[in-house]
Amino acid sequence: DQQVKQNSPSLSVQEGRISILNCDYTNSMFDYFLWYKKYPAEGPTFLISISSIKDKNEDGRFTVFLNKSAKHLSLHIVPSQPGDSAVYFCAARAGANNLFFGTGTRLTVIP
Amino acid sequence: DAGVTQSPTHLIKTRGQQVTLRCSPISGHKSVSWYQQVLGQGPQFIFQYYEKEERGRGNFPDRFSARQFPNYSSELNVNALLLGDSALYLCASSPQGAGGYTFGSGTRLTVV
Repeated sequence: DQQVKQNSPSLSVQEGRISILNCDYTNSMFDYFLWYKKYPAEGPTFLISISSIKDKNEDGRFTVFLNKSAKHLSLHIVPSQPGDSAVYFCAARAGANNLFFGTGTRLTVIP
Repeated sequence: DAGVTQSPTHLIKTRGQQVTLRCSPISGHKSVSWYQQVLGQGPQFIFQYYEKEERGRGNFPDRFSARQFPNYSSELNVNALLLGDSALYLCASSPQGAGGYTFGSGTRLTVV
């Protein structure tokens, strides 16, 4: 049973434009959400996170939005750069427990 | 500072064999978790250890086992390998039992 879902397996965006990656979850006990970026042959790299008590967290070009009522979060990258091309994973956690990951979205930023 | 290190980086094993994967956490990190990532899927939780005690186990068969040593390094063992065990095995460490996890680059296991 997939508790974290990323329904878009891929996304292509022009350099300089906004990239929006979406994630849905089903477990209302999740209280912390994370986005990881992964390049081939490397482990996931932490990008940004958000606690369930917030609805927005921003770090430079990256912003994560959380809509608890819809059980939906999104990652916005503005402006997108070719170096952002990677697979992005959404993950969620309930308390001090393990992470549940989505299936990932492959972002391609076209120069 | 050294990150999370995993060894070996690649491994080929035959069905029925046993394998041991190793992980050294970031210095000062007492929690180690193991994840399995099958091609096209997100990482799936296998085990979490904190202060040498098992704190969580995912939905994996008993063929999978792990342990954490006094220096907080960890080993993941898989017995009676199946073709379906072919995956990238990721180790992550964190300073406490929760919080920001830092992942290693993984061990690519191929079972033939």
